[in-house]
Amino acid sequence: EVQVLESGGGLVQPGGSLRLSCAASGFTFSSYAMSWVRQAPGKGLEWVSAISGSGGSTYYADSVKGRFTISRDNSKNTLYLQMNSQRAEDTALYYCAKATTTQIVLVTAFDYWGQGTLVTVSS
Amino acid sequence: DIQMTQSPSSLSASVGDRVTITCRASQSISTYLNWYQQKPGKAPKLLIYAASSFQSGVPSRFTGSGSGTDFTLTISSLQPEDFATYYCQQSYSTPYTFGQGTKLQIK
Repeated sequence: EVQVLESGGGLVQPGGSLRLSCAASGFTFSSYAMSWVRQAPGKGLEWVSAISGSGGSTYYADSVKGRFTISRDNSKNTLYLQMNSQRAEDTALYYCAKATTTQIVLVTAFDYWGQGTLVTVSS
Repeated sequence: DIQMTQSPSSLSASVGDRVTITCRASQSISTYLNWYQQKPGKAPKLLIYAASSFQSGVPSRFTGSGSGTDFTLTISSLQPEDFATYYCQQSYSTPYTFGQGTKLQIK
């Protein structure tokens, strides 16, 4: 059974840093791209970042570019999101999602999602 | 960036109704359009990918169509478990973008 489980959320002050993790199981982790998608309280979905199966290609939303870094450790079946210089508008539930492809390509969709980890940026 | 606009933002319908949700892209995205369903307190669930392909396990009452800039998700006969929020998402180019969502409520 495919499972992805996020962790690492919490309360952080503006300007602070936090690292999210996503532990994956039930599939060959290195064969699939992965992504982070966030949802502010009561709002819609916002795509944040994605990474290819090998980790060699990364992609970011403009809103987080230069502040967030996506990475993966295929030996540990784990995806990460390092979040620096955090702002109040980064407050959201952060979902980890498995892509349907190895690379981020035209037909990529996200077929398995975790339950999310909540990040609150506040003083 | 490609903007995705869904209509309507909310919709009230009854069990058994046929419902159509529309998604429009700000530029042509061919058929690189996915649909997700999200229920309160739950993670999104992939329903349709590449505009019209069914994700495994999705009931056949859900159908997707469209190409270019205009897409639709149709539910042929609403069931009680279908009341949720639906999102479209383009996978034509990064940054991937979602529509603002369509909340489907019971009339």
